[in-house]
Amino acid sequence: NAGVTQTPKFQVLKTGQSMTLQCAQDMNHEYMSWYRQDPGMGLRLIHYSVGAGITDQGEVPNGYNVSRSTTEDFPLRLLSAAPSQTSVYFCATLIQGDLYVGYTFGSGTRLTVV
Amino acid sequence: AQSVTQPDIHITVSEGASLELRCNYSYGATPYLFWYVQSPGQGLQLLLKYFSGDTLVQGIKGFEAEFKRSQSSFNLRKPSVHWSDAAEYFCAVGAMEYGNKLVFGAGTILRVKS
Repeated sequence: NAGVTQTPKFQVLKTGQSMTLQCAQDMNHEYMSWYRQDPGMGLRLIHYSVGAGITDQGEVPNGYNVSRSTTEDFPLRLLSAAPSQTSVYFCATLIQGDLYVGYTFGSGTRLTVV
Repeated sequence: AQSVTQPDIHITVSEGASLELRCNYSYGATPYLFWYVQSPGQGLQLLLKYFSGDTLVQGIKGFEAEFKRSQSSFNLRKPSVHWSDAAEYFCAVGAMEYGNKLVFGAGTILRVKS
């Protein structure tokens, strides 16, 4: 059971390049989300999904696209990278019940845009 | 809008001294609350969480937190700090009424003096 797997762990892009950050989970959680972490700002929600085929914007969605074709995968796409997108990106899933709620975070992707 | 405030950006305590990290939130719904710890270059580790029930919550590594609804606070405490506790600490709040979107505070960096 791998939990939440993010790839790659590190990436350097040139301004204007595109790339996809991968997030995969093997827990069958319906809810998945992407956050970015910047110094002094905590983690901010980029996009989230409550199930296959359903996505919505978070606090800082501009410059990012997502899709959710399967329960397992929730890729984050940067269509034209900008230096302002230099950050650490975390994917997270959620499971909740009547008496329980829990988020599982991936180990992060450190992205540098030059 | 939902928000989480961690008033202290940096805190320095002596090893063996007690610790309290503050967290205040603004939410229009019944929240669930988390404290996470992050060492440099690492991912997020869950220290403890409050979902319902007893408002004093025990976590890992000797940490505890108390949910005070009247004060909209969820402060993290530890009676005796160890040098290995030096890290960044994040408070996070979510609510089912707001789509389970987790909102993070900006973080508090803890330095431990020997």
